[in-house]
Amino acid sequence: EAGVAQSPRYKIIEKRQSVAFWCNPISGHATLYWYQQILGQGPKLLIQFQNNGVVDDSQLPKDRFSAERLKGVDSTLKIQPAKLEDSAVYLCASSPQGLAAYNEQFFGPGTRLTVL
Amino acid sequence: GNSVTQMEGPVTLSEEAFLTINCTYTATGYPSLFWYVQYPGEGLQLLLKATKADDKGSNKGFEATYRKETTSFHLEKGSVQVSDSAVYFCALSDPRTSGTYKYIFGTGTRLKVLA
Repeated sequence: EAGVAQSPRYKIIEKRQSVAFWCNPISGHATLYWYQQILGQGPKLLIQFQNNGVVDDSQLPKDRFSAERLKGVDSTLKIQPAKLEDSAVYLCASSPQGLAAYNEQFFGPGTRLTVL
Repeated sequence: GNSVTQMEGPVTLSEEAFLTINCTYTATGYPSLFWYVQYPGEGLQLLLKATKADDKGSNKGFEATYRKETTSFHLEKGSVQVSDSAVYFCALSDPRTSGTYKYIFGTGTRLKVLA
C-alpha cells in the first residue's frame, strides 16, 4: 500500500513570497491533517479535513494560510505571504474513517520550508 | 487544555543499554496515547499505542503502559541498538473532549545510540 505522498520535499523562499504544498493521502482515507513542526518542537495541527469538509482549523493563521481538499482526496496548503517564523516542516497525515478507538494517523515525509 | 510533556533530550546511550523516555500528559477526558518515531529524513511512524488505563503497547522491543494514576506513558526498551537512534514523540488524542481526533504532541526526545 502506498503511503502518504508530499511534494515538494524542500522549499526555500524569500519572506513575503507565496508557497504551496501538496499532499496525496493513502487511498480511501477520509481524514486528512496538516501539521506544522518547528525545529525542536512537536508537530502542531493546522487543519483537519473529513472528506472535503473542514473539521478543525482553530490553529490555522487564516490571514496568511489557506488549505483546501477538493473532491475529498488531494490537499494543498498555501502560505501567502510567508514570514520568517513560517520556517518549519509541514507534515501531512491521513487516517481511515471509523477507527475511533485507535485513530492511527499515517504521516508523509514532510516538506521542509525555509523562509529567508 | 490537553498537553503532553516529554523529557528533554538528547539521550545518549551505549548499545544494549536500557532505555526510558518519560512522558506525562494532562487531559480532561480519557485520551488514547501514542508513541511515534521519526528516523532521519523520514516521516513519523507509529511505534505503539494504548487506548485505556493499564493497557500496554508494545512493538519492536519497545513497551509503554498507560498509567492513569500517574498520568504517564513512559517508553522503555530493554536493550537498545544503533538503529534505534531517532526522535521519539509522545502524543495523545482525546476526541470526547476536543471533538476531533487530532493529536497533541510532546516536543520529542532525540535518542542517540553509540556502538
